[in-house]
Amino acid sequence: DIQMTQSPASLSASLGETVSIECLASEDIYNNLAWYQQKPGKSPQLLIYYASSLQDGVPSRFSGSGSGTQYSLKINSLESEDAATYFCLQDSEYPNTFGAGTKLELK
Amino acid sequence: EVQLVESGGGLVQPGRSLKLSCAASGFTFSNYYMAWVRQAPKKGLEWVATISTSGSRTYYPDSVKGRFTISRDNAKSSLYLQMNSLKSEDTATYYCARSWGRIITTPLYWGQGVMVTVSS
Repeated sequence: DIQMTQSPASLSASLGETVSIECLASEDIYNNLAWYQQKPGKSPQLLIYYASSLQDGVPSRFSGSGSGTQYSLKINSLESEDAATYFCLQDSEYPNTFGAGTKLELK
Repeated sequence: EVQLVESGGGLVQPGRSLKLSCAASGFTFSNYYMAWVRQAPKKGLEWVATISTSGSRTYYPDSVKGRFTISRDNAKSSLYLQMNSLKSEDTATYYCARSWGRIITTPLYWGQGVMVTVSS
């Protein structure tokens, strides 16, 4: 099975700052990597698919990059609504596997 | 508007069975892969099962393989998860999810989730 190592586990940043979240796959996942945002009590929302494709309706301050085994989600100019937990998901092969999540807190 | 509405959750004793349903609307159900994803209380997301458009192919992680069965009824636009031999570690909110497209199976739309509690 492909293991997804997500870092950091938590993050505290100020409004207007830029942050990055990383996911490292245990083997090449050929850009089959998605990023989700989840707020407490809500369902996950897709932000990025295929490593760098921005889902319709998602603000352009979110961006994804990476290849092979290393991927990252970057959030520019943090806004208060960005406080949430972020997960990566590899769907290159079954079983699909999620990263453990990154909790982003706004100072 | 795409809607996914899960039902069938509740409290069940260890070793017993439960069947979850997901009613889909707002899209042509038979065109999309569907999946179940769960989230234990205060924990991360865990992929549980995926089914192909026709239902001919199903996929599971080892943690549920042999105990859970995903199925679909395209005529009823419904997805199901039969859960047998339930364990306490199956306690979670279960989400039904629709793939991004016919080729891209990344879950795009998610239901609101249904809670399953396995406890004596």
